[in-house]
Formats: sequence, structure tokens, C-alpha cells
Amino acid sequence: DSGVTQTPKHLITATGQRVTLRCSPRSGDLSVYWYQQSLDQGLQFLIHYYNGEERAKGNILERFSAQQFPDLHSELNLSSLELGDSALYFCASSASSSSGGGGYTFGSGTRLTVV
Amino acid sequence: KNQVEQSPQSLIILEGKNCTLQCNYTVSPFSNLRWYKQDTGRGPVSLTIMTFSENTKSNGRYTATLDADTKQSSLHITASQLSDSASYICVVSAIGSGAGSYQLTFGKGTKLSVIP
Repeated sequence: DSGVTQTPKHLITATGQRVTLRCSPRSGDLSVYWYQQSLDQGLQFLIHYYNGEERAKGNILERFSAQQFPDLHSELNLSSLELGDSALYFCASSASSSSGGGGYTFGSGTRLTVV
Repeated sequence: KNQVEQSPQSLIILEGKNCTLQCNYTVSPFSNLRWYKQDTGRGPVSLTIMTFSENTKSNGRYTATLDADTKQSSLHITASQLSDSASYICVVSAIGSGAGSYQLTFGKGTKLSVIP
């Protein structure tokens, strides 16, 4: 157990729907990062939050949004889902605001299947 | 454009053998480089981190090297075990323009299969 908790582990939904993925960071970590990993693709950075504020944004679609709450858990909202959104979504956390080198701990991911 | 290229894409080796995975990058300005191990369906786990001044770092049977001049890194696995079967991902960090900002570039990984 890495200490980073992601729920749900699996999610199957239809095109056009909206889903919310949840991440609880490791105790004491203030930063949360979201990544998307499609089949046979590398990890794609989506967004980084530190202590409730957005710090960096990657290749995140406008249909996707995220937030980090006062208790430091984070949610990634995916709307108007398309078949191509099917992927593993990983959350990672770190203690610092600028880990720079990806010095963080990953959760076990949420596998999203859009049908 | 920052890029990280890993080779080979996949590799099959016999248990007990050694292997070396390669990572070439064109990330600038360079901050550091990490190797991650990702088991199928699981989150990546950090193996090593190397900064500009480091050229070798070991973690058990894993040894990473970095040549900042040629912008190449390698991950050498010694006496492979079945549990080494995984994807190995190279991640390079570039210093961003703003204070404390950074940009991470991920390689697509090398899929290693260790067979008995």
C-alpha cells in the first residue's frame, strides 16, 4: 500500500456521461497530481494541485476538471465522455509544492472504461 | 520540444540474466531524471533519481547511469528475477520559467518480460 488511495478502482460508463474520480494523498502530502495512461501509451500529466491551489496544468482537456479540497483529497471530473477517454487514471502525491523530479508516490489507479 | 525516447520498446530475457534499458532525452534545462518500475495495472514506483552531477546510482540490483553531456541514461538490471517483469519508465524533469515551476516529460517505457 503506497498510502495514496484512489477510488473507485474500476469504472464503466457510457459515452456522454460524467464521472468523478477521487484521490486521497499520502498523510502529510500537500501536492496531488493527476495522470492519464491510455493503452500502450506513456503517462500523460494532467494537472497538479498544491494545498488547494492549481500549480501546473498539462495536457488536460477542457471536458476535464479537477479540484483539491481543504482536507487535501482531490477529485478529477471527466464529462462528455468519449471512447478515447478509456484509460488508467493515476493520482500521485508529494510533500512539496515543486517536486521537480516527479519525486512522489503513485496510487494504484482507476481504470475507466467508456462504452 | 522536450522529448524522452526509451529503447527497446520491449525485451524478453531469461531469469538470472542481466539487461540494460536505454533512455535518451532532449529536455532542457535539465533538472533531474528518474526511473520508475510499473507493474501491470499498478502505479509506478520510483527506483532512482539522478541529478546533473550524478552519473551512477544503485538501488539493489538496479543501477542507473546518467551522461548529461550526451543526454543519455541507462538502467541496468543484474541477475534478473521473474518479479522484474514490468514496464520501466524514464522521467526527465526540466526547470520551468516561473519560480519553482517544472515540466515533466515521460518516456513511453520499456516492457520487460523475464521468463524462467
